[in-house]
Amino acid sequence: QSVLTQPPSVSGAPGQRVTISCTGSSSNIGAGYDVHWYQQLPGTSPKLLLYANNNRPSGVPDRFSGSKSGASASLAITGLQAEDEGDYYCQSYDNSRSTLYVFGTGTKVTVL
Amino acid sequence: QLQLQESGPGLVKPSETLSLTCTVSGDSMTSSSYYWAWIRQPPGKGLEWIGSIYYSGRAYYEPSLKSRLSLPLDASKNQFSLNLTSVTAADTAIYYCVRHFVVAGSIPQFDHWGQGSLVIVSS
Repeated sequence: QSVLTQPPSVSGAPGQRVTISCTGSSSNIGAGYDVHWYQQLPGTSPKLLLYANNNRPSGVPDRFSGSKSGASASLAITGLQAEDEGDYYCQSYDNSRSTLYVFGTGTKVTVL
Repeated sequence: QLQLQESGPGLVKPSETLSLTCTVSGDSMTSSSYYWAWIRQPPGKGLEWIGSIYYSGRAYYEPSLKSRLSLPLDASKNQFSLNLTSVTAADTAIYYCVRHFVVAGSIPQFDHWGQGSLVIVSS
């Protein structure tokens, strides 16, 4: 039961910039909790892409960036590459007691 | 280099217990910085957190699964497990074991994932 809403899909040509939104509520992102982002390439396990809104783990290209404002967050991919095609998930914490760690609904990025 | 590897049956009958084990190599499970988690992904769908356990035994569970769930941990064997009782077809999913990294000033992050184990619930 995802409580973070993402667009089902986004697409762009190689070299373009795409953004993925992640909309939460006052019990998660809006309560001030950080957002992490995960990348899942076809047939693989998810991988931590950004942590604490806009921090890249070692090895993640600086083409990936994030931001957070109010009850929403977003992931931007600049200079889109074919290897970026896959699914992207946001994740945060929820204090509503209906769950604790929540994921977004997921967004499929297609490189045209 | 940290590695997590799931193991267990790929087919479970309805109403029975789903049991998986994760073997951790390349790091200690007793670090104060880590919880150890299970996350699942139904085929073609999104991610769902199941629960996280600390080496001390302290655990947090997804409330909707809590009554059917246990997460034993054996740090001496560098293993932690998932036991989910009374399974139905809705529990069919890829199950990932994951390191849940506690970071000061932020929420914990799922920073290392196993390759995943597909479990099908069917008679």
